[in-house]
Amino acid sequence: EAQVTQNPRYLITVTGKKLTVTCSQNMNHEYMSWYRQDPGLGLRQIYYSMNVEVTDKGDVPEGYKVSRKEKRNFPLILESPSPNQTSLYFCASSLSSPSGPETQYFGPGTRLLVL
Amino acid sequence: KQEVTQIPAALSVPEGENLVLNCSFTDSAIYNLQWFRQDPGKGLTSLLLIQSSQREQTSGRLNASLDKSSGRSTLYIAASQPGDSATYLCAVEQKGAQKLVFGQGTRLTINP
Repeated sequence: EAQVTQNPRYLITVTGKKLTVTCSQNMNHEYMSWYRQDPGLGLRQIYYSMNVEVTDKGDVPEGYKVSRKEKRNFPLILESPSPNQTSLYFCASSLSSPSGPETQYFGPGTRLLVL
Repeated sequence: KQEVTQIPAALSVPEGENLVLNCSFTDSAIYNLQWFRQDPGKGLTSLLLIQSSQREQTSGRLNASLDKSSGRSTLYIAASQPGDSATYLCAVEQKGAQKLVFGQGTRLTINP
């Protein structure tokens, strides 16, 4: 089954404790992206990757890091989480850049609470 | 800066009715527009994608239209069912940006 998986689905952590949210897709997609969803602000892009070893900032990259060492994986790293990073996070992928005709596939989301 | 607006924010209708959800965007320089469905505790599911050169797309009881020049899209749902209850999100792919710009969504409730 074609899918985007994220782990963990739910996470409670404390300020400053490094964490990684994994994202994996099994569709051989080149493009992957991370979004966060907050009430009243909607979904905003954090980082994206056009292909292996090619990443770039989105609209809200502060406090986050990413890497793309393999085509299928695109982990999101919070080096020193803060309460303002409490949010619902989504990973997405598509065959090529979003300007193409292919739709984007979204993971199930990771709900993060930073105390 | 591209802004996407969805009206209404919430909508409640009886089962069986036909309904229209609205989406507007400020910059017509887009590659495509997508409608997504979001269920509580779950991810986003793509419903329809309309390329900028297209006027509409249909899938089952859903029909989405796009008027790029006026910056508007509508999602028409025919013969609504309780299972259609969800939040519907509209998103555009802005030219020159490798991302989707989302609206805030319309929370739809279909009452049996």
